[in-house]
Amino acid sequence: EDQVTQSPEALRLQEGESSSLNCSYTVSGLRGLFWYRQDPGKGPEFLFTLYSAGEEKEKERLKATLTKKESFLHITAPKPEDSATYLCAVQNLGAGSYQLTFGKGTKLSVIP
Amino acid sequence: DTGVSQDPRHKITKRGQNVTFRCDPISEHNRLYWYRQTLGQGPEFLTYFQNEAQLEKSRLLSDRFSAERPKGSFSTLEIQRTEQGDSAMYLCASSSSTGFWLETQYFGPGTRLLVL
Repeated sequence: EDQVTQSPEALRLQEGESSSLNCSYTVSGLRGLFWYRQDPGKGPEFLFTLYSAGEEKEKERLKATLTKKESFLHITAPKPEDSATYLCAVQNLGAGSYQLTFGKGTKLSVIP
Repeated sequence: DTGVSQDPRHKITKRGQNVTFRCDPISEHNRLYWYRQTLGQGPEFLTYFQNEAQLEKSRLLSDRFSAERPKGSFSTLEIQRTEQGDSAMYLCASSSSTGFWLETQYFGPGTRLLVL
């Protein structure tokens, strides 16, 4: 059974204080690892897809990296508008299986 | 491209009543997914359609839940004889099967259900 564990559960940062969020996963075969951002009361918003160990992707102040067992979401010089819950999900390589298995998320608060 | 839309956005019902939710995917996306999310948890997979065919269902999907996607366009999720444990956010996502690897799911705003 696929499993995703995210840490920490919650993170408070001062504006400009860089940090990283962790996503550890167990999957029989990885088709892709996905990062989403979710604001309160809204649906998840797609950020990144990572397919293979060593891959990195960047978008503004966010950078996602992938190893064989975990992924990190690095946030550089965060701003208050980066406050949200960040969700990590994996998709299994199994034939015909396209469901995403999500972690519980990391709730990020950026204080001005 | 207006994104995935869901209707209604909020629904309050009494225990035992039936409810139906609608999802309109991104146009020309052939895959459509339903997920359920409770407070403090990540979304949990319920079911998946490719075009009009329902290809995968989670064991979370009890007999009281039924989903359809007539003509491979919009989808409906019906919950019969609602229970308080059904209270959650119901999320719809869609994707386009452009190849074996490329599979990004885009989510709608969700329907928040409260069962009293």
